[in-house]
Amino acid sequence: AQKVTQAQTEISVVEKEDVTLDCVYETRDTTYYLFWYKQPPSGELVFLIRRNSFDEQNEISGRYSWNFQKSTSSFNFTITASQVVDSAVYFCALSEANNDYKLSFGAGTTVTVRA
Amino acid sequence: AAGVIQSPRHLIKEKRETATLKCYPIPRHDTVYWYQQGPGQDPQFLISFYEKMQSDKGSIPDRFSAQQFSDYHSELNMSSLELGDSALYFCASSFGGQGNSPLHFGNGTRLTVT
Repeated sequence: AQKVTQAQTEISVVEKEDVTLDCVYETRDTTYYLFWYKQPPSGELVFLIRRNSFDEQNEISGRYSWNFQKSTSSFNFTITASQVVDSAVYFCALSEANNDYKLSFGAGTTVTVRA
Repeated sequence: AAGVIQSPRHLIKEKRETATLKCYPIPRHDTVYWYQQGPGQDPQFLISFYEKMQSDKGSIPDRFSAQQFSDYHSELNMSSLELGDSALYFCASSFGGQGNSPLHFGNGTRLTVT
């Protein structure tokens, strides 16, 4: 069975602070995908990243960066110099490599960025 | 860039009524997925279609059915609505069947059953 744990329920920061969202996963599969999605107050789910389990390179996209550590089964997400528009619920998700639509989502972390 | 389009954005129905939700995938995407997100919950997979054929089924009630049409748009039909069906329903699309490209979600349809 697959399981994704986002231990932080809510994080509140002041603009320009960095914020790191933790994600720990469990799976028996040797090949799998990890994802991060953003859900702003308007409700849509915005795809941020998909990472293959064989690719442990960290990735940076603008103010977003991801740290994949297979040894600790973690896929953490950092927002650098946060902005008010980053306020949202962020979901970490896991899927089998051949069934990447059957996402196992974490419970989500609500990030509030105050001006 | 064009995204996944869902309609309507909001829908209010009474118990025992029926509802139809529509999803238009990103152009050239041939695979569609439906998810249900209850209040304060994470999204749950309902059903998927690839090339107009049902490809997998998740926790979809028997009262719900769905199909994918020749233009790849999909409709989720929900009958005998119950209060517990109130949720945000997402459609997602990808290209080339499962496992080939990441899912891109639509903005969702918020269904309220009264």
